[in-house]
Amino acid sequence: NAGVMQNPRHLVRRRGQEARLRCSPMKGHSHVYWYRQLPEEGLKFMVYLQKENIIDESGMPKERFSAEFPKEGPSILRIQQVVRGDSAAYFCASSLLVGTNTGELFFGEGSRLTVL
Amino acid sequence: ELKVEQNPLFLSMQEGKNYTIYCNYSTTSDRLYWYRQDPGKSLESLFVLLSNGAVKQEGRLMASLDTKARLSTLHITAAVHDLSATYFCAVDMGYGGSQGNLIFGKGTKLSVKP
Repeated sequence: NAGVMQNPRHLVRRRGQEARLRCSPMKGHSHVYWYRQLPEEGLKFMVYLQKENIIDESGMPKERFSAEFPKEGPSILRIQQVVRGDSAAYFCASSLLVGTNTGELFFGEGSRLTVL
Repeated sequence: ELKVEQNPLFLSMQEGKNYTIYCNYSTTSDRLYWYRQDPGKSLESLFVLLSNGAVKQEGRLMASLDTKARLSTLHITAAVHDLSATYFCAVDMGYGGSQGNLIFGKGTKLSVKP
C-alpha cells in the first residue's frame, strides 16, 4: 500500500515564476492537508481539502497561494510569482474520516522548493 | 491563539543515558501527537495521546499526557545512536473534533553520541 506520494521532491524556481506541487493521498484517503516547514521550524498548517472542496484554508497566505483537490487526480498546491520567502519544504498529509473526526495524519516526504 | 512550546530545542546525549523532552501548550486540547523526522525525510508518527493520563511506550520511548497541566513528555531511556533525529509534538486544534489542523512545536533536535 503506497504511502502519500508527493512530487516533485525538489523544485527550483526563479523569483516571479510559478511553482506547482502535487500530492496523491494514501489509497482510500479522501482528506488532504498541506503544511509548510521553514528551516529549523515546525510545520505550519496551510489548508485542508476534501475532494472538490476546501474545508479550512485558515493557514493559506491571502495572495499567490491556492490549492485544489479535484475529483480525479492529485491535490495541487500552486504558488504564483514566487519570492525567496516561499523557499521551504511543503508537506502533504492524508487521512480517513472517522465519524466527525479526522483519523491519524500520514505525511508524504515533502517537496522542497528553492527560490533563487 | 494556540501555542506549542518544546524544550529543549537541542539535546546532545551520551548513549545509555536517559532524558525527557517537554511539550507545553496554551489552550485546551485532548489530542496530542509525537512525530520523528530524520533529515530530509517525512514525519513518522510515534504516538497519539487522546486523554488525560495517557501513557504509551514503544521501545526506548515513552510518551505521556497531562491535559490539566497542558503538558506532554517524551522520555528516552538508555539512548542509542539510532534515536538521533528531530522530535516534534503537535496539538490538534479540534473544533469540537479533530479536523487535522495541527499546531506543531519547533522540534527538539536530538543527537546521541557514543
